[in-house]
Amino acid sequence: AQTVTQSQPEMSVQEAETVTLSCTYDTSESNYYLFWYKQPPSRQMILVIRQEAYKQQNATENRFSVNFQKAAKSFSLKISDSQLGDTAMYFCAASRYNAGNMLTFGGGTRLMVKP
Amino acid sequence: DAMVIQNPRYQVTQFGKPVTLSCSQTLNHNVMYWYQQKSSQAPKLLFHYYDKDFNNEADTPDNFQSRRPNTSFCFLDIRSPGLGDAAMYLCATSEEGPGKNIQYFGAGTRLSVL
Repeated sequence: AQTVTQSQPEMSVQEAETVTLSCTYDTSESNYYLFWYKQPPSRQMILVIRQEAYKQQNATENRFSVNFQKAAKSFSLKISDSQLGDTAMYFCAASRYNAGNMLTFGGGTRLMVKP
Repeated sequence: DAMVIQNPRYQVTQFGKPVTLSCSQTLNHNVMYWYQQKSSQAPKLLFHYYDKDFNNEADTPDNFQSRRPNTSFCFLDIRSPGLGDAAMYLCATSEEGPGKNIQYFGAGTRLSVL
């Protein structure tokens, strides 16, 4: 079984600054996927970034990047140049590699970007 | 351009009165999921379909049922809603396979039970 833990229930950041959201996970799998999903208020959840565990290079999508530490089972999300539209609930999630696409979610971090 | 569409966005029902939530998709994905999400919590998977193959999570109450008449549509039926079933219900889709596991979510239906 996989577990995902987000230790920061709420965070805030000033517009244009950088913020890092933490996520730790536990799995017995040798290969798996990790995700960050964003859920803005009253809007649909969307994928921010995906990391394949066997790839050592950290995934990057524009202003969003991850710090994947496989040995430490850590998967943090860094948001650079924060924008008001980044205000949302962020969920870290894990998926096993060859056992379907089921997601195990963390409890979420509510991020507020302040003007 | 909505790819996963949930109707209605808001649903009010009475205690014990059956209710059906619907989900449609234009992505032609063979996997569809239903989640329950309570306030400020992570989504909880209720069940999913691989094509027409239904998979129920072990702790999903019998009160929740689902139908998938074709690839595009999936329904969530709550046979006798209780106050504890008030929540956001999310539908999601994905393709099948290790490299195709991104889930695409609808905007959700917020269910209120009076």
